[in-house]
Parts: sequence; structure tokens; C-alpha cells
Amino acid sequence: DIVMTQSPLSLPVTPGEPASISCRSSQSLLHSTGNNFLDWYLQKPGQSPQLLMYLGSNRASGVPDRFSGSGSGTDFTLKISRVEAEDVGVYYCMQALQNPITFGQGTRLHIK
Amino acid sequence: QVQLQESGPGLVKPSDTLSLTCAVSGYSISSGQWWGWIRQAPGKGLEWIGYIYYGGNTYYNPTLKSRVTMSVDTSKNQFSLKLSSVTAVDTAVYYCARYQSGISYHYFDSWGQGTLVSVSS
Repeated sequence: DIVMTQSPLSLPVTPGEPASISCRSSQSLLHSTGNNFLDWYLQKPGQSPQLLMYLGSNRASGVPDRFSGSGSGTDFTLKISRVEAEDVGVYYCMQALQNPITFGQGTRLHIK
Repeated sequence: QVQLQESGPGLVKPSDTLSLTCAVSGYSISSGQWWGWIRQAPGKGLEWIGYIYYGGNTYYNPTLKSRVTMSVDTSKNQFSLKLSSVTAVDTAVYYCARYQSGISYHYFDSWGQGTLVSVSS
């Protein structure tokens, strides 16, 4: 199984400041198509997870452009250029390259 | 806009079978795509249980494979999960979700609200 490791696990942020979350996989997520099968999800308090990014760097529909994703192979990063109060919650990375699908442990972003 | 809604007992006895159904609206299951189940134990992260194609093909998490059965009912536009021989460790919020899968994309784009299933006598 591909193991997904996120850091940090807790991320206190001041509104208006940037934030960054790292996700590393135990195997490369680079597919023969040239795409990295790495998704990011945000689970807001009391809600279901929602898709933020797919293929590592593509924003899902309706996701603000302050969110960006980067990386390739085994190292990926989710960045928020200016954190807003509505961004609080737990962020998960997920590999979709092979079964079983696996998630990172989650990173809890909260306001300082 | 596709919507998913889980339903089923909120309390299951140890050694019994957990049964959940996910009703889909706004999209016909017969149109394609995979339909999955993910669970989240209290205070924990997300665990993929498996998914099923509208035609009936399935992929299960190996850690649960011996106890999991998924099925699709296209006439009712819903799909189901059965997890046998449950124990307390199966207590979790169970989510159903649509899994979009193509050459250039693989992601869960629509999720149900989740349903808490507790395993207790």
C-alpha cells in the first residue's frame, strides 16, 4: 500500500497570512500519462470532505484561487496565499494512483 | 447537481452485519462512474472501504475485503454497503461518494453527509 504522510499535523495561522501543507507518498504518484494522481480534500468542521485539488495542481470547481497545489512524484504541497476564517478544518491528501486508495493523516488548520 | 444520501441503522450489535444504502439524485448511476464508501472513526482520519462500478465491478480495501460486499440497484438509483462480523472498531461515520475516474482524473467529487454507525451491544 502507498503510505501518505502529511506535515504539519496542526497548523495555527493568522488570517491574511499564508499557509503551507506538505504531503509525501511512499511511492511515486506519477502516472504514465504524466499526471500525478494526488488529490487534496478539506473537511470543514461538522461537514463531509470536499474536493479542493486534483492531479496535484488543478483546482476543483468553485475553489478560490488563493489555493494552489504543486509537486510531483513523491512530494506535494498545498498552499493558501492568504488564509481566511472559512479555511479552517482538516486537510487531507489522497493518492489515487493505485488501490487501495489511501489518505494522509490530515492537517488541522486553525486560526491563531 | 448530484446529491448523495446515506441511510441505515445507527446502531449495530457486535458480530452482526452493518448495512447502509446511498441514494443518488441528480445523476443516473447507469450513466457511469464508480461509487464508493469511505469511513471515519471518531476523531480519526479517512479510510477507503471500496467502490463499485454501475455495472457491478468492485474494488475493496484488502484490510476489509473478507467482510465487505457492495452492490448497485440501478432501478432505484442507489448503491449499498454490507460489512459483516462488525466489532467496536467498525464504529465510524460512513460516507458514500461518487468517484470520477478517467485517464486524466481520479477523485471523489461528491459526498454524502455521512451517517454515524455505532457498534455496541
